[in-house]
Amino acid sequence: GAVVSQHPSWVICKSGTSVKIECRSLDFQATTMFWYRQFPKQSLMLMATSNEGSKATYEQGVEKDKFLINHASLTLSTLTVTSAHPEDSSFYICSASGTKDYEQYFGPGTRLTVT
Amino acid sequence: GQQLNQSPQSMFIQEGEDVSMNCTSSSIFNTWLWYKQDPGEGPVLLIALYKAGELTSNGRLTAQFGITRKDSFLNISASIPSDVGIYFCAGRDMKTSYDKVIFGPGTSLSVIP
Repeated sequence: GAVVSQHPSWVICKSGTSVKIECRSLDFQATTMFWYRQFPKQSLMLMATSNEGSKATYEQGVEKDKFLINHASLTLSTLTVTSAHPEDSSFYICSASGTKDYEQYFGPGTRLTVT
Repeated sequence: GQQLNQSPQSMFIQEGEDVSMNCTSSSIFNTWLWYKQDPGEGPVLLIALYKAGELTSNGRLTAQFGITRKDSFLNISASIPSDVGIYFCAGRDMKTSYDKVIFGPGTSLSVIP
C-alpha cells in the first residue's frame, strides 16, 4: 500500500514553455501533498505544501507564480513550471500523506530538462 | 532554520558487513523517519519512530529514536549489494506543522561485492 505515481517520469522542454507534472496517490486518499526539488547529490528541498481544495503554501524563496500547484482532489496534485528556463532543470519529486498513516510517501520523481 | 546533520556523509563497505549511520538535530524532534533513495527514484520510507527510546526493526534494518529526542540511528546488518543508495533521515519537530518534515543531507552507502 501507499503507492504514489508521477507523470511524466522525464520531460525535455524548450526555454519559455510551460510543463505540467502530475502526482497521484493510487491506493489512499492524500489530504496533503508536497512538492520537492532535488539537485544532484543534494537532499530534498521542499517547495510547497498543498491541502486538497486549498491554496498551496510555498516555502520561502519559491516563486508561486512560476511554480503553480493545484490539488483538486484527494488523489491528484499538479505542478506546473511556467516559462521554464534552463536553471529550472532539476529532479522534481512529490509526496503524499493522508489516510494511511499520515507519513509522507514519495512518487518516483520527474526529471525536467530545459534546453 | 532547522537543520539535521547526518554522519557519515558516505561509506564504502564490504558485502556482509554491518552498517551504522546516525542523524542529529539541535532541537527536539517528536518523529524520526528513515528513507532510502535509489538513483533516479523517489525516497522510500524504511522506518518511522514516534517515541523517545523506541527501537524498531524492518528486516535487516534497525532504527532507534534517541532518548534526548535530538538524534536517531539506523543500522543495517549483513549488507547486500541492493542496500546501495542514499539514506536520508527526516524529522518532525514540536514547533512545525504536523505534516512537514525536515530532511538531512543524506548518507551515501556503497557496498562492494
